[in-house]
Amino acid sequence: EPEVTQTPSHQVTQMGQEVILRCVPISNHLYFYWYRQILGQKVEFLVSFYNNEISEKSEIFDDQFSVERPDGSNFTLKIRSTKLEDSAMYFCASSVGPFDYQPQHFGDGTRLSIL
Amino acid sequence: RKEVEQDPGPFNVPEGATVAFNCTYSNSASQSFFWYRQDCRKEPKLLMSVYSSGNEDGRFTAQLNRASQYISLLIRDSKLSDSATYLCVVRDSSYKLIFGSGTRLLVRP
Repeated sequence: EPEVTQTPSHQVTQMGQEVILRCVPISNHLYFYWYRQILGQKVEFLVSFYNNEISEKSEIFDDQFSVERPDGSNFTLKIRSTKLEDSAMYFCASSVGPFDYQPQHFGDGTRLSIL
Repeated sequence: RKEVEQDPGPFNVPEGATVAFNCTYSNSASQSFFWYRQDCRKEPKLLMSVYSSGNEDGRFTAQLNRASQYISLLIRDSKLSDSATYLCVVRDSSYKLIFGSGTRLLVRP
């Protein structure tokens, strides 16, 4: 079964540094998403991306964050000048389309630890 | 009011038991409804979509009550492998999924 893959599985970074989290969505999917889950809390939406542009973003997704699809397969989340509170599990998801019969499939996540 | 509200549990049940989870959502314009399952420190995995007429997938039955803004999940004949956190998830008119905090299920031998 096709999967969303994410790298790295764990990233440890000093506060203030930049990190790039990478995702390879399922190949025929057109909609891409990033979510995060702080330890012990619920999964929160960050951003959705379609046709090479952001289609929606949450209040969390401020100027510190950016997304990019640099080639035909990768989808990246960049966090500039990381803060301690950015420590969380970051999940990439993808779907064929935006409709309810086209569910979002999640990668196994990148655990980001900011020191 | 929380957008999606669930009883955190844990529900501790013996193998073979039937267990039911409930969820309420605040936005009456919500369009799509799902149950996801999440194992400890793993990604959410789609368990089933929830349709207006209710739907069943093996031992799992989901119901939706739009008037009461209420979603339920029933698990029959619980297995040890059903132990996980069950996430109630809603999508409004936008692309994003809105997650509840989850209900934890422990199935004991």
